Amino acid sequence: DAMVIQNPRYQVTQFGKPVTLSCSQTLNHNVMYWYQQKSSQAPKLLFHYYDKDFNNEADTPDNFQSRRPNTSFCFLDIRSPGLGDAAMYLCATSWTRAGANVLTFGAGSRLTVL
Amino acid sequence: DAKTTQPNSMESNEEEPVHLPCNHSTISGTDYIHWYRQLPSQGPEYVIHGLTSNVNNRMASLAIAEDRKSSTLILHRATLRDAAVYYCIGADSNYQLIWGAGTKLIIKP
Repeated sequence: DAMVIQNPRYQVTQFGKPVTLSCSQTLNHNVMYWYQQKSSQAPKLLFHYYDKDFNNEADTPDNFQSRRPNTSFCFLDIRSPGLGDAAMYLCATSWTRAGANVLTFGAGSRLTVL
Repeated sequence: DAKTTQPNSMESNEEEPVHLPCNHSTISGTDYIHWYRQLPSQGPEYVIHGLTSNVNNRMASLAIAEDRKSSTLILHRATLRDAAVYYCIGADSNYQLIWGAGTKLIIKP
């Protein structure tokens, strides 16, 4: 089945130690999104790629970066994780950005910061 | 800014219909209304979406008010597997998804 795969599912890091989360998709979708979801909250969009075009949300901290080397893969880099960055990180894809488009989510990567 | 409002939680009995409400009084005429659900420790899953008229699929029905200020997600016969957080989302023309805070649906056997 076509799907969105996130690795690792669980990541433990130390305060200030860089971490990279990966996302791959077999849907051949043009758009890939990264969301941050804290406990009992709705997902919050960090940024998205439309093909190679990177779109950062205005309130996304500089500590968060992303790379999309090809259509299938997208990475989330957290340069210096703080305790407040502990969360579930969700990758999603869609065919386009239009309002009617459906998002397909991965299972998420849960980040713990010690 | 566009905003969607949902009740924090709802309870229902197994095998009974469930109506999950959402207010989105500030969405524009071209904004779609989406519903996703999220089971514990999983990513959100698409349920249904619509623009103006009511929509049906194998998972649920979506009833959109004529003035589009509110909508209701209908699960026709809830099972224990439908216990999840249900998010109502407004999708605007600026490629933004305006998420509600979610309704935690509890299904009682």
